[in-house]
Amino acid sequence: EAQVTQNPRYLITVTGKKLTVTCSQNMNHEYMSWYRQDPGLGLRQIYYSMNVEVTDKGDVPEGYKVSRKEKRNFPLILESPSPNQTSLYFCASSLHQGTGELFFGEGSRLTVL
Amino acid sequence: EDQVTQSPEALRLQEGESSSLNCSYTVSGLRGLFWYRQDPGKGPEFLFTLYSAGEEKEKERLKATLTKKESFLHITAPKPEDSATYLCAVQPSRTPQGGSEKLVFGKGTKLTVNP
Repeated sequence: EAQVTQNPRYLITVTGKKLTVTCSQNMNHEYMSWYRQDPGLGLRQIYYSMNVEVTDKGDVPEGYKVSRKEKRNFPLILESPSPNQTSLYFCASSLHQGTGELFFGEGSRLTVL
Repeated sequence: EDQVTQSPEALRLQEGESSSLNCSYTVSGLRGLFWYRQDPGKGPEFLFTLYSAGEEKEKERLKATLTKKESFLHITAPKPEDSATYLCAVQPSRTPQGGSEKLVFGKGTKLTVNP
C-alpha cells in the first residue's frame, strides 16, 4: 500500500530536549516536504527536499533541521524545542518536484512544555 | 504576497442540500490550484488539480471549477460522509531564481452534513 509514515504520532516533551520526527515513503517519490498546521494559520511549509541531498527552506524554517540521505526518508529535527513549536506536523511527498499533488502522512502531534 | 482565502470558514448542510465552497487567490502567476479533503486526525487527501481558467474536474458529488481569481468546490446532494475540512492550495509560477515548489494553503472550510 502506498503510504507516507510518520513517527511518533503523538509526543509530549520538554523545552530543550532534542527530538526527531521520522518520515518514510514507499512510493519512490523524489519530492518530500514538512508542514506544520496550527489553528487559524493553516498549513505552512517548514522545509522541502527535491531529491537526495537537496533541501531548502520553506516559510517557517526557524528552529528546525532536516536531512535527506536516502530517497525514502526525510526526518525533521528539533534541536532545542520550544513551546511555540507545539503543533501538528505533516510530512508529504510527491512523485517529482513541481507537482502540487501531495501524499500526506497521518500527522505527528507534538506538545512542548 | 501570494494569498489564499477560503469562505465560509464553516458550513452546515442537510443531507441532499447542494452548496459551494469558495477559494479566492492572489498569486504571482498560477501554475496550479489544488483541492484537498482533510478528515479529523488525518492528513490532507488530494482531490483535484486545476490549471487554467474555465477548467472543471468532477469526482462523485464534487465538482471543482476555476476562474482567473477564484475556484469553487460544488457539492451536489451531499451525504454525511462528505463531512470534512476542504483545503484549497495554489502553486505560484516559477521565480527567476528557479523552482517554486511550495504550495500556499488556505485555512480551509469545515463542512458538516447532517443526516
